[in-house]
Amino acid sequence: KQEVTQIPAALSVPEGENLVLNCSFTDSAIYNLQWFRQDPGKGLTSLLLIQSSQREQTSGRLNASLDKSSGRSTLYIAASQPGDSATYLCAANSGNTPLVFGKGTRLSVIA
Amino acid sequence: DAGVIQSPRHEVTEMGQEVTLRCKPISGHNSLFWYRQTMMRGLELLIYFNNNVPIDDSGMPEDRFSAKMPNASFSTLKIQPSEPRDSAVYFCASSLGSLSEAFFGQGTRLTVV
Repeated sequence: KQEVTQIPAALSVPEGENLVLNCSFTDSAIYNLQWFRQDPGKGLTSLLLIQSSQREQTSGRLNASLDKSSGRSTLYIAASQPGDSATYLCAANSGNTPLVFGKGTRLSVIA
Repeated sequence: DAGVIQSPRHEVTEMGQEVTLRCKPISGHNSLFWYRQTMMRGLELLIYFNNNVPIDDSGMPEDRFSAKMPNASFSTLKIQPSEPRDSAVYFCASSLGSLSEAFFGQGTRLTVV
């Protein structure tokens, strides 16, 4: 059974800093790994999807990497801004199982 | 496309009452998922459908929960009778295939008093 873990649960950084959010998963036979952003009281916004055959995906200041052999994914945010403050969730699907979510990292970017 | 649409956005009900949550997936998507989010347990899959057929409902917590998808553009999640521990945010998501990129609705915040 796939399990997804995100550490730390919360992170606070000064504006402008580059940062990395971590995600680990137990079943390396994943099909996709997806990163989401969730603002308080809102739904989930898809940020990046990495297919199992890919090593990374980039969108603007965001870069997500995937290492299946170690069961890890990272989300790199460059030049962080206060508007990046949100909870970031990673989720993985494997076999025929839909997305299994981590509990998220709550990011605060301080101006 | 307007994305995944859920209604209502907020629901407050008394214990024992029936609650129905609604979802309209993105047009053309053939997979639909219901998730529940709580502080303690995070996001948990309740049930998902492929081509309107329920595939896995092992996440449905009790017989009080039921879900239907009568057509490709509509799904309901019903709780009868509701209990205070059902209070959570319920999300609907859809995708083109169960292993493709998933898109989420804004959620329904349910409070059972």
